[in-house]
Amino acid sequence: DVKVTQSSRYLVKRTGEKVFLECVQDMDHENMFWYRQDPGLGLRLIYFSYDVKMKEKGDIPEGYSVSREKKERFSLILESASTNQTSMYLCASNPSTNEKLFFGSGTQLSVL
Amino acid sequence: GENVEQHPSTLSVQEGDSAVIKCTYSDSASNYFPWYKQELGKRPQLIIDIRSNVGEKKDQRIAVTLNKTAKHFSLHITETQPEDSAVYFCAASLDSNYQLIWGAGTKLIIKP
Repeated sequence: DVKVTQSSRYLVKRTGEKVFLECVQDMDHENMFWYRQDPGLGLRLIYFSYDVKMKEKGDIPEGYSVSREKKERFSLILESASTNQTSMYLCASNPSTNEKLFFGSGTQLSVL
Repeated sequence: GENVEQHPSTLSVQEGDSAVIKCTYSDSASNYFPWYKQELGKRPQLIIDIRSNVGEKKDQRIAVTLNKTAKHFSLHITETQPEDSAVYFCAASLDSNYQLIWGAGTKLIIKP
């Protein structure tokens, strides 16, 4: 079974802190995604990557950056956390376009 | 760009009855339509998908229908069971796109 592992299930940070969310997949997938999930708003794409060192903005990239130095790892960075970034963050991967997405278990981030 | 609308936002059905969730999309070139199920506190998982070259696909108690002319697709769940209680998300995409466009989700409640 494909595993997509997110480093933390719950995270509490203070306003202004730099926050790193890590995601690792073990199936050599080309594509990796970071989503944000808020009640009533569904899944909103922050950034995605289709290859090592490649990244593309999604629908809501403001306030976020990403890094993909190795194929299996995709990191989401909040440069200066703000309270409106309190949310559930989901990482996902798939082998190619329009194939099944495999999600991580999510990181519930609270920014105080 | 593509837009996906999903209805209803909440659906409550009696156990054993059928449930239908509908999504409409705006880009007639979209050709891939997956459905994901997210149980409370868990990660989204693909339950069924359909491509534009077919009109219907079934997998046991679930089915998806696609009407390309009207630009809508629906998820049908028959003989609903308590374990069907979850949030269901539809999505649409083009083959050339990495990015799925998601509906806002439907919370399905199965009443005993």
